Amino acid sequence: AQSVTQLGSHVSVSEGALVLLRCNYSSSVPPYLFWYVQYPNQGLQLLLKYTTGATLVKGINGFEAEFKKSETSFHLTKPSAHMSDAAEYFCAVSVKVTFGGYQKVTFGIGTKLQVIP
Amino acid sequence: GAVVSQHPSRVICKSGTSVKIECRSLDFQATTMFWYRQFPKQSLMLMATSNEGSKATYEQGVEKDKFLINHASLTLSTLTVTSAHPEDSSFYICSARGSRGATEAFFGQGTRLTVV
Repeated sequence: AQSVTQLGSHVSVSEGALVLLRCNYSSSVPPYLFWYVQYPNQGLQLLLKYTTGATLVKGINGFEAEFKKSETSFHLTKPSAHMSDAAEYFCAVSVKVTFGGYQKVTFGIGTKLQVIP
Repeated sequence: GAVVSQHPSRVICKSGTSVKIECRSLDFQATTMFWYRQFPKQSLMLMATSNEGSKATYEQGVEKDKFLINHASLTLSTLTVTSAHPEDSSFYICSARGSRGATEAFFGQGTRLTVV
């Protein structure tokens, strides 16, 4: 079974500072990896995903993440934080279910990002 | 990207009544839909997976008679919370995939259920 560990349930950064949200995964097969953002009382919006190919993936709103197989990590970064980045971020891993053929997604516990003016 | 519409966004109901939540894929056909429950300050917990035209597959610990899921068409899935109790109060989110092998799922806006 797959799992996701997000280090740090709360992260605070100053506006303009680097954002680094950590995610480590466990999977017995090559996984697909995702980062989602959630604003209060809303659903999830996909920031970026890694499936195959280039290990550095760029997403929306200036975010990017690098898949490092040797470290089983998929950390999310953004060079300069904006106030609008304050939200909850979820890392997720997806593997194919043997029976059914669909992808089953497992989420981390989430990291709440606070941006200080 | 594809749009998934979830309705209602908020609902308050009395204990013992049933509540139905709808999840619609507006611009694509969703072969698979997922229902999640999110407790305050926690992650999303998968409740069940439904494929169009077949019975839903429930995760361990989720009462299928309590949480009825119907996926009658390629654009609509419903979750009915039967005989609701205050402990069923939560944020429920659906997601939909366009095909079994699709790598990305699209999420609805969520439904905040409060049982009084």
